[in-house]
Amino acid sequence: AQSVAQPEDQVNVAEGNPLTVKCTYSVSGNPYLFWYVQYPNRGLQFLLKYITGDNLVKGSYGFEAEFNKSQTSFHLKKPSALVSDSALYFCAVRDVAGFQKLVFGTGTRLLVSP
Amino acid sequence: GAGVSQSPSNKVTEKGKDVELRCDPISGHTALYWYRQRLGQGLEFLIYFQGNSAPDKSGLPSDRFSAERTGESVSTLTIQRTQQEDSAVYLCASSPLTVHGYTFGSGTRLTVV
Repeated sequence: AQSVAQPEDQVNVAEGNPLTVKCTYSVSGNPYLFWYVQYPNRGLQFLLKYITGDNLVKGSYGFEAEFNKSQTSFHLKKPSALVSDSALYFCAVRDVAGFQKLVFGTGTRLLVSP
Repeated sequence: GAGVSQSPSNKVTEKGKDVELRCDPISGHTALYWYRQRLGQGLEFLIYFQGNSAPDKSGLPSDRFSAERTGESVSTLTIQRTQQEDSAVYLCASSPLTVHGYTFGSGTRLTVV
């Protein structure tokens, strides 16, 4: 079965510094990978996805993610963090057998300090 | 509509009561998903609809949970005889079949007291 792992419950970074939120995946076949962000008391918002092509994917709000097949990783990155980036981030993989059902990681809370 | 709409946004119910949660997907989206998010946890898949049929119900935690979808639009998630462990945010998402990934609603926060 497809799965993703987010090894960090929380990531702390100072505003202006680069940030990385880690995600590794386990799939059979080609992975379809996604990042979503959840702000307090809000639903999940789509950030970016990797389906095929360039390993560096650019998304909303200045975020990007790097697909690394050899390391089975899809880490989310941003060159310069903002306090407003503080939120809960979820990595997800499409379940090949599951009608496009997305399987989500447990989430990583990002705290950006002023 | 412009987005996925869920109602109510908040629901407090007594243990043992039945509740109905509603989801209005984006017009034209044939795929509809229900997820559950318990406090401090990730998203737990419940059920998937393709049109009005549900080919994947594998995530429904017990027979107290059921869902239906009519007219390839509105979906209702029903929880019978609610228990305290049912307390969570219930999220609905929809997608056109040709698009990877989907759009979420803001969720219904269910509290069973």
